[in-house]
Amino acid sequence: GESVGLHLPTLSVQEGDNSIINCAYSNSASDYFIWYKQESGKGPQFIIDIRSNMDKRQGQRVTVLLNKTVKHLSLQIAATQPGDSAVYFCAENRDDKIIFGKGTRLHILP
Amino acid sequence: KAGVTQTPRYLIKTRGQQVTLSCSPISGHRSVSWYQQTPGQGLQFLFEYFSETQRNKGNFPGRFSGRQFSNSRSEMNVSTLELGDSALYLCASSRQGPSMNTEAFFGQGTRLTVV
Repeated sequence: GESVGLHLPTLSVQEGDNSIINCAYSNSASDYFIWYKQESGKGPQFIIDIRSNMDKRQGQRVTVLLNKTVKHLSLQIAATQPGDSAVYFCAENRDDKIIFGKGTRLHILP
Repeated sequence: KAGVTQTPRYLIKTRGQQVTLSCSPISGHRSVSWYQQTPGQGLQFLFEYFSETQRNKGNFPGRFSGRQFSNSRSEMNVSTLELGDSALYLCASSRQGPSMNTEAFFGQGTRLTVV
């Protein structure tokens, strides 16, 4: 297949709760994965990346998990804030091209 | 340091015309990649330039072309515009490009509307 996809187009989360955004990829040869955040009217912004020799990587309030067995990637955002409201894309390096998924829109509920 | 700069921010063109978009990467970055973003297709890879050479290309018709100058600034051109070319065109710069898995930084994009 030729897809890097996300399971849900929209995710609504209560402010202060943790958010989990999921992504499935199809190319088992991909060795580098990235999460981007895109706010309205802006270009995508790098959040965190992970290489295929790792299972987990943590940043500031974010954690990326990689399960190569089932070709699944997830982004966890701790203590979700209103500023986290955006569209989140997973992307993979496939054949030296960064291929993006369709994106998940994260809504923060007050 | 200055981020990725794309000009112009907005463009309105008529079917059949051609358009040139510009991208100035972050200083020191030699790789520039171009993407087309539409609501239906999402972010699609157009091409990547590194040191004035096109290193990789997506699945777009030949009407879409690009180039990179010695100062790493890049332009993309779309000829014979079609209504379906209306999109947000984004460029991303990185030090070494996707082949080296280096972090890419995006500009704010150029919003092209074809009427």
